[in-house]
Amino acid sequence: QVQLVESGGGLVKPGGSLRLSCAASGFTFSDYYMSWIRQAPGKGLEWVSYISSSGSTIYYADSVKGRFTISRDNAKNSLYLQMNSLRAEDTAVYYCARGVAAADDAFDIWGQGTMVTVSS
Amino acid sequence: QSVLTQPPSASGTPGQRVTISCSGSSSNIGSNTVNWYQQLPGTAPKLLIYSNNQRPSGVPDRFSGSKSGTSASLAISGLQSEDEADYYCAAWDDSLNGHYVFGTGTKVTVL
Repeated sequence: QVQLVESGGGLVKPGGSLRLSCAASGFTFSDYYMSWIRQAPGKGLEWVSYISSSGSTIYYADSVKGRFTISRDNAKNSLYLQMNSLRAEDTAVYYCARGVAAADDAFDIWGQGTMVTVSS
Repeated sequence: QSVLTQPPSASGTPGQRVTISCSGSSSNIGSNTVNWYQQLPGTAPKLLIYSNNQRPSGVPDRFSGSKSGTSASLAISGLQSEDEADYYCAAWDDSLNGHYVFGTGTKVTVL
């Protein structure tokens, strides 16, 4: 079935780095753009980053620009988020989500999320 | 920080109709379509409405969406206990160069 599975979350100290992965299955990954979206504990949803189907177009939220890098490997059906210079306010569940142009660019498939905790 | 404003809470008894508003601006809701997501407790968000008023396959027709100008709304008719969840509106924002913005979220409680 169509599925996204995140991994790579964990506890990291402020200033540290972490790389999240998102494995896609059940659909042609290279046909879809993808995003990372996060949710701090007890808070709402915050869009983090976007990457086009080919990887040629990338956008970031201002809160992570210059610190996070999104990438994808279509041969491996995988999406990544390299997170550097982590701060306490980056603590959140990170979801990867599939974007659908045919649905006016809504996110129709979400992973279960991976928790990132930034604390000393 | 969210640029789309929603009421923090809404409630109703089973069978009632509940409406959630979402207020934005000309650069987001005014220029692009609105999507709605439902997040049940402890789970990932799920697409509920796309393109202002379209339901993905499997979403009950009790859920409906509408948009007018720079505002949108989600209506839940025939409220059921399983509808108790957080609801978020969202849209792309033209002023923020490829940014997707979410609403502040509304907690729906079934009394």
